[in-house]
Amino acid sequence: EAQVTQNPRYLITVTGKKLTVTCSQNMNHEYMSWYRQDPGLGLRQIYYSMNVEVTDKGDVPEGYKVSRKEKRNFPLILESPSPNQTSLYFCASRDPDSGPGTQYFGPGTRLLVL
Amino acid sequence: QQQVKQSPQSLIVQKGGISIINCAYENTAFDYFPWYQQFPGKGPALLIAIRPDVSEKKEGRFTISFNKSAKQFSLHIMDSQPGDSATYFCAAREKSSGDKLTFGTGTRLAVRP
Repeated sequence: EAQVTQNPRYLITVTGKKLTVTCSQNMNHEYMSWYRQDPGLGLRQIYYSMNVEVTDKGDVPEGYKVSRKEKRNFPLILESPSPNQTSLYFCASRDPDSGPGTQYFGPGTRLLVL
Repeated sequence: QQQVKQSPQSLIVQKGGISIINCAYENTAFDYFPWYQQFPGKGPALLIAIRPDVSEKKEGRFTISFNKSAKQFSLHIMDSQPGDSATYFCAAREKSSGDKLTFGTGTRLAVRP
């Protein structure tokens, strides 16, 4: 089954404790992205990657890091989480030959930073 | 600053009615306008999309109307059904920005039986 998986699905952590949210896709997609979803703000893009070792900032990259060492994986790293990073996070992937909106989203990771 | 403004924030429609969600943008470099549907606990899924050289696109009960001069586009859901109850997001893509999508703030639609 074609899918984007994220782990963990739920995470409670404390300020300053480094964490990584993993994202993996099995569709051999070149493009991958990370979004955060907050009430009243919709989805905002954090980072995106158009190929292995190629990453670019989205609209809200501050406080986040990403890496793209392999095509299938695109982990999101919070080096020193803060309460304002409490949010619902989505990873997405797409084939560059498909329309730019044809993104497959993962199920989401709900993060609470205390 | 919200580059894509979406309204209304929430919408209640009777079964069989027409649901209309509106979006407006300022950036004339946007060249692709998708709509996403999101059910609770799930990620968004592409519903329908349009490019600015087309004024209307229809897929089943879902229609996008696009007004390039007014920089507005809207989603119409005909014969709305309870199963359409979800949050809808409009979005826009600027070609030169690579794969960056800018989303509206979302509309929570409830279709009453």
